[in-house]
Amino acid sequence: RKEVEQDPGPFNVPEGATVAFNCTYSNSASQSFFWYRQDCRKEPKLLMSVYSSGNEDGRFTAQLNRASQYISLLIRDSKLSDSATYLCVVNGGTGGFKTIFGAGTRLFVKA
Amino acid sequence: NAGVTQTPKFQVLKTGQSMTLQCAQDMNHNSMYWYRQDPGMGLKLIYYSVGAGITDKGEVPNGYNVSRSTTEDFPLRLELAAPSQTSVYFCASSGGQGAREQYFGPGTRLTVT
Repeated sequence: RKEVEQDPGPFNVPEGATVAFNCTYSNSASQSFFWYRQDCRKEPKLLMSVYSSGNEDGRFTAQLNRASQYISLLIRDSKLSDSATYLCVVNGGTGGFKTIFGAGTRLFVKA
Repeated sequence: NAGVTQTPKFQVLKTGQSMTLQCAQDMNHNSMYWYRQDPGMGLKLIYYSVGAGITDKGEVPNGYNVSRSTTEDFPLRLELAAPSQTSVYFCASSGGQGAREQYFGPGTRLTVT
């Protein structure tokens, strides 16, 4: 089992749609969680951190379920500019610097 | 601020050649990382450093070496390059101790023929 697994993609959605990505992790000792966005042939950039209480940033909502060991990202009112690959990142476990990136979920938003 | 910078942006090597990928950050971050990303795959940690003079292996360290003589610089050395090392290499940094968000450089696209 991979340490971090993400929904297989790609997701093809029309503008204005709501889309949700899930990510599961295997190490119950993981301490911090993030969603990154990566545009084609670019470096990953932090989209948002994921907190136990859930957090929202505009059209984006992230949630963490420690009991089931998964995190989610919800994008409402999708824009063309949301087209990218979304990477789930889990940190912690053995020392504080074990960072595992998921393989990513590709999102295409169409007009 | 430039953030995290990497040079070169592109590089073609022949099998057996050696080279150093440069990475520098101007954010006074303690921790720095090297990743590789193969097509359609996630990032894999090669080496990381939590401060000057301290380095440690990540998930895929074989065939690479690093040094951290200053807070700002974290070069990655490829000795005896192999086609399997064809990949995109990203350097990243994070501030403070513990699991903080990482800031990435633009990457180096390396092809080994």
